[in-house]
Amino acid sequence: NAGVTQTPKFQVLKTGQSMTLQCAQDMNHEYMSWYRQDPGMGLRLIHYSVGAGITDQGEVPNGYNVSRSTTEDFPLRLLSAAPSQTSVYFCASSYMGRSLGPHEQFFGPGTRLTVL
Amino acid sequence: RKEVEQDPGPFNVPEGATVAFNCTYSNSASQSFFWYRQDCRKEPKLLMSVYSSGNEDGRFTAQLNRASQYISLLIRDSKLSDSATYLCAVIVLTGGGNKLTFGTGTQLKVEL
Repeated sequence: NAGVTQTPKFQVLKTGQSMTLQCAQDMNHEYMSWYRQDPGMGLRLIHYSVGAGITDQGEVPNGYNVSRSTTEDFPLRLLSAAPSQTSVYFCASSYMGRSLGPHEQFFGPGTRLTVL
Repeated sequence: RKEVEQDPGPFNVPEGATVAFNCTYSNSASQSFFWYRQDCRKEPKLLMSVYSSGNEDGRFTAQLNRASQYISLLIRDSKLSDSATYLCAVIVLTGGGNKLTFGTGTQLKVEL
């Protein structure tokens, strides 16, 4: 199993450009999520999904869109990049626990994004 | 108030020392608790889940105190390789379902 994969590993954008961060998992996990990590801020939840066709906002959703057309893929779209979106982005997946909550999170290696 | 709070540290300890971190959570209905380890410029990885009765894995012990709403992580006989950032995570009940929320992490540096 490849686990959780993310592409690209590094990206530099100019303000106003758009791009999609890719995330895929091959563990048949129902739950997938996107976090951004900034110094001193920890991991902040952007969007999450509890299954194909279902997405919801996390703590910091503004400026980001997601979709979940398949169980395996959960892309994150930046429609118009801003310098404030410079960060490290992690995708994660997990099974849903008995209480319908996410269980152990498996993280991808991260995408380091710089917006100039 | 943040949903999950941790002392950012750094905690600088000598090799062989015992060190403990706490993590407080604000939602009394929080259901599940975890400790993750994150090495520099790497992704977080699960260290251990935290059970109501507490649990131990080698040199690591995790405890849950529901009355005071915190979880703790105790590391005994610290090794240089334990140097990392330790993140706590809590499943928080929301109107639309449950979601996992992380603390900002506590940095541990184990020194010779």
